[in-house]
Amino acid sequence: DAGITQSPRHKVTETGTPVTLRCHQTENHRYMYWYRQDPGHGLRLIHYSYGVKDTDKGEVSDGYSVSRSKTEDFLLTLESATSSQTSVYFCAISGTGDNSPLHFGNGTRLTVT
Amino acid sequence: AQSVTQPDIHITVSEGASLELRCNYSYGATPYLFWYVQSPGQGLQLLLKYFSGDTLVQGIKGFEAEFKRSQSSFNLRKPSVHWSDAAEYFCAVTNTGGFKTIFGAGTRLFVKA
Repeated sequence: DAGITQSPRHKVTETGTPVTLRCHQTENHRYMYWYRQDPGHGLRLIHYSYGVKDTDKGEVSDGYSVSRSKTEDFLLTLESATSSQTSVYFCAISGTGDNSPLHFGNGTRLTVT
Repeated sequence: AQSVTQPDIHITVSEGASLELRCNYSYGATPYLFWYVQSPGQGLQLLLKYFSGDTLVQGIKGFEAEFKRSQSSFNLRKPSVHWSDAAEYFCAVTNTGGFKTIFGAGTRLFVKA
């Protein structure tokens, strides 16, 4: 299995508080991604990174920011959490090339009360 | 715009019976297609992928999928289902450049004894 660690695995937070989720990889892959998974929607891309300090928005990026200061770490921040951001968040990595599949972490379940 | 449709939200099959999970995609160029499987509490795991060449591709755990360009389909099949195959299955398509993988909403498979 790809070496991807997400932390925390579970978090409960209150509306309006900032939250940071961490993804750490040991594969030295260039590309890293944050997805959210909600029933009926599959997985939707929030942000992705194609290198250190190089990031871009996905289809559901509003209310989220990311940072990547090292190859191995990709942080997802909810600046002011809302109940609509209650979800399961997955980090993924991939190698170079169009045909590189995604390798996923085990997810972080976030509940915003 | 790219899209992936999995028409069946859930499917129930008997152990030992054959399985077919449907996937239709919308994409302007030749797509890169994937099937992933997700067990409860886990991240997604790659089952198989298609890029070019032979339209019937083999994956892990005895799964196969057939790419049909004329029908814009990439259906997943297994000749004989095992109880351990109960999980959620996601079809996905990636654009050239590989940055943005679009997932279907998923099909949950139930296996009855």
